Amino acid sequence: DGGITQSPKYLFRKEGQNVTLSCEQNLNHDAMYWYRQDPGQGLRLIYYSQIVNDFQKGDIAEGYSVSREKKESFPLTVTSAQKNPTAFYLCASSLSGNQPQHFGDGTRLSIL
Amino acid sequence: AQSVTQPDIHITVSEGASLELRCNYSYGATPYLFWYVQSPGQGLQLLLKYFSGDTLVQGIKGFEAEFKRSQSSFNLRKPSVHWSDAAEYFCAVGAQGNTGKLIFGQGTTLQVKP
Repeated sequence: DGGITQSPKYLFRKEGQNVTLSCEQNLNHDAMYWYRQDPGQGLRLIYYSQIVNDFQKGDIAEGYSVSREKKESFPLTVTSAQKNPTAFYLCASSLSGNQPQHFGDGTRLSIL
Repeated sequence: AQSVTQPDIHITVSEGASLELRCNYSYGATPYLFWYVQSPGQGLQLLLKYFSGDTLVQGIKGFEAEFKRSQSSFNLRKPSVHWSDAAEYFCAVGAQGNTGKLIFGQGTTLQVKP
């Protein structure tokens, strides 16, 4: 069954710690995206990748990093430089630019 | 700059009543437009999309939307709402260029009264 898998569903970060959120897709999509969702603010784009080994900053990339070494995987690292990381993180993929995006079920990150 | 506005943060309708969720966009060319739905703690599910052609678009779960260029609107409608439609609804526009970037509205939360 094709889809996008995000893990873990819940994640806790200590002060000064980096954490990595996993996103895997088996849809054979070229493009992948990371969004941050805060209450009342809709979705904001963190990073996106249109092809393997290439990615671009979105609107709120500071304090985050990504890699795209494999077509099916697009992990997001929330670094200690991100001072307000508590949010719901959503990963998405699409066949190509401007095609509909398919979303995972999200990871909720909280601070200990 | 491109933007999407959903004027209604929260809407309550009775089960069986009709529904219209508003979406206005700012965009310099023919936009790609989407409506997504999100249940609490879940990801987003695509309801429908508009790329070109017929301005009345049919989607899943009995939803439809109409693209009106003159009003820069893409309102979502459903003739008869079911309790299971209670969720948050997001309108989105594709950014210029073939980047795949989407610009989302802030969402409208739909509550359905029995």
